[in-house]
Amino acid sequence: DAGVIQSPRHEVTEMGQEVTLRCKPISGHDYLFWYRQTMMRGLELLIYFNNNVPIDDSGMPEDRFSAKMPNASFSTLKIQPSEPRDSAVYFCASSSWTVEAFFGQGTRLTVV
Amino acid sequence: TQLLEQSPQFLSIQEGENLTVYCNSSSVFSSLQWYRQEPGEGPVLLVTVVTGGEVKKLKRLTFQFGDARKDSSLHITAAQPGDTGLYLCAGLTGTASKLTFGTGTRLQVTL
Repeated sequence: DAGVIQSPRHEVTEMGQEVTLRCKPISGHDYLFWYRQTMMRGLELLIYFNNNVPIDDSGMPEDRFSAKMPNASFSTLKIQPSEPRDSAVYFCASSSWTVEAFFGQGTRLTVV
Repeated sequence: TQLLEQSPQFLSIQEGENLTVYCNSSSVFSSLQWYRQEPGEGPVLLVTVVTGGEVKKLKRLTFQFGDARKDSSLHITAAQPGDTGLYLCAGLTGTASKLTFGTGTRLQVTL
């Protein structure tokens, strides 16, 4: 398996634009997590899914953030409209019953 | 909110030195994991400890889970430049698969 695949690796966008981050989890994993990492706040859990169903979205900072998982092999995290304070590295991770989280390489988002 | 505080935040040492990183919480965790993250990459799991008092060794790394399952430590013997990175502890509670990550310890090992 190729591991968790995220795209794009880097995204630079202007304030107010819509940003969509994409994630393909490891096949067979039934949990998918979206994290945000900044120097100030560390690694924060935004939302996680189990069997494509959102279980806990209490970490989603505002209504500007939304996440979907239409099937077991694809998830998106959307920010609309984006703001400079959303600049961070966004990670997607997946896991199975073993609870080891496998992380993607992340998307570095810069909002100018 | 379950907080995991790590100390120290930053550590810069020379090759061959020993070090210990601490992960503390007021919450009880069913298991605790340690990850290492290198620049430009996602965190990678090093170990999972489950039983209070458990000690696990991974080459020069020794991990311990506190008796009350609220804290953990990572000890590195004879650090090498390849150990450089961000070390993160992560706690798991109950049956949920939701990991709460610690604040992180950034380690720099120089020649």
